[in-house]
Amino acid sequence: DADVTQTPRNRITKTGKRIMLECSQTKGHDRMYWYRQDPGLGLQLIYYSFDVKDINKGEISDGYSVSRQAQAKFSLSLESAIPNQTALYFCATSEGGTARTGELFFGEGSRLTVL
Amino acid sequence: SQQGEEDPQALSIQEGENATMNCSYKTSINNLQWYRQNSGRGLVHLILIRSNEREKHSGRLRVTLDTSKKSSSLLITASRAADTASYFCATYSGGYNKLIFGAGTRLAVHP
Repeated sequence: DADVTQTPRNRITKTGKRIMLECSQTKGHDRMYWYRQDPGLGLQLIYYSFDVKDINKGEISDGYSVSRQAQAKFSLSLESAIPNQTALYFCATSEGGTARTGELFFGEGSRLTVL
Repeated sequence: SQQGEEDPQALSIQEGENATMNCSYKTSINNLQWYRQNSGRGLVHLILIRSNEREKHSGRLRVTLDTSKKSSSLLITASRAADTASYFCATYSGGYNKLIFGAGTRLAVHP
């Protein structure tokens, strides 16, 4: 089983619908992240969380919300999806603490299409 | 905003040749990391170089870092078709809070 699991892997939805992308991890890491990737571009940070009670906005948080339900679970919601949110979404984890190097471990991605 | 910018955007070579990708960044860093992404898949960490290091090797990979020029390079020696992927540099600055990625270099290695 993958260390970082994202569901669903593919989703097609319509404008205005609410969508939730879920991420779970078995690495025991404190830190979790949601990134967005548009075709031919790098990754943009949406939200990140350092523990269950610590949620932070990234570069492009408008139109998105997150929930850290447990150390191992971090979900991303689009309250009212719009076509320009069509993208590939990645969840990632990293260690916390003083020994960390900041290496990220990624899930396989959730491809979202908003019509 | 992107901390790192890769150059070139795309690179096409033959198997056996070396591939060099460059990354420039804007602010002081703690470390610089390189990741690989096969088409449409999750990113995989390749190598990390700390700000006080100048060169690092891992198998066929060699990374250099020049903090005075705020730049890094990734060299893949003796490329294989399986090396075809996008390669991204990423940096933290001012602490280990947000890892910011560049736009990546798309490498195509032809048999």
